[in-house]
Amino acid sequence: QKEVEQNSGPLSVPEGAIASLNCTYSDRGSQSFFWYRQYSGKSPELIMSIYSNGDKEDGRFTAQLNKASQYVSLLIRDSQPSDSATYLCAVFQAGTALIFGKGTTLSVSS
Amino acid sequence: EAGVVQSPRYKIIEKKQPVAFWCNPISGHNTLYWYLQNLGQGPELLIRYENEEAVDDSQLPKDRFSAERLKGVDSTLKIQPAELGDSAVYLCASSSVLGTGELFFGEGSRLTVL
Repeated sequence: QKEVEQNSGPLSVPEGAIASLNCTYSDRGSQSFFWYRQYSGKSPELIMSIYSNGDKEDGRFTAQLNKASQYVSLLIRDSQPSDSATYLCAVFQAGTALIFGKGTTLSVSS
Repeated sequence: EAGVVQSPRYKIIEKKQPVAFWCNPISGHNTLYWYLQNLGQGPELLIRYENEEAVDDSQLPKDRFSAERLKGVDSTLKIQPAELGDSAVYLCASSSVLGTGELFFGEGSRLTVL
């Protein structure tokens, strides 16, 4: 059974702080890794993808991947109240569909 | 470019009644997915289509759920008969490239079974 594990939270940070969200996965054959953001009552939207070990930065967002440890993380710098949402970690392996974790709820207080 | 369109957005039915959800993917997207999302959970795959072919339906409860994607474009997901435990959000998503995890989701169809 392929699994993607996330701490459900809630993770609470003050405005301007760094939010750190973590994810582990069980299938070593996984090839691609994604972070989706889901606002309450809305559908998931892709915010970051990462395919190789290391860091990938996009604006205030940095995705980190360590395949040896089967670990993916998302850092949000200068967190804003508009970042308050559920963040879904998702893992993809060729020939299968995207597998999602349960999500981590982030709350940014002003 | 229009996004993934789903209907209805909300549906309330009595248990044992049938229900159907419709999805129109982004134009040109060959891969279409139906996911189920329960409150506080991540989306779970029900079925994946490559064009008209259902390539992964292993998680679809075939005793009561069925799906079709005629002509490789629109898709319909049906539940008959519905059970109380089917209350959830049914998400349709599409992607343009085979073998990618970059999905575009519709707004979802929220089902309540009474």
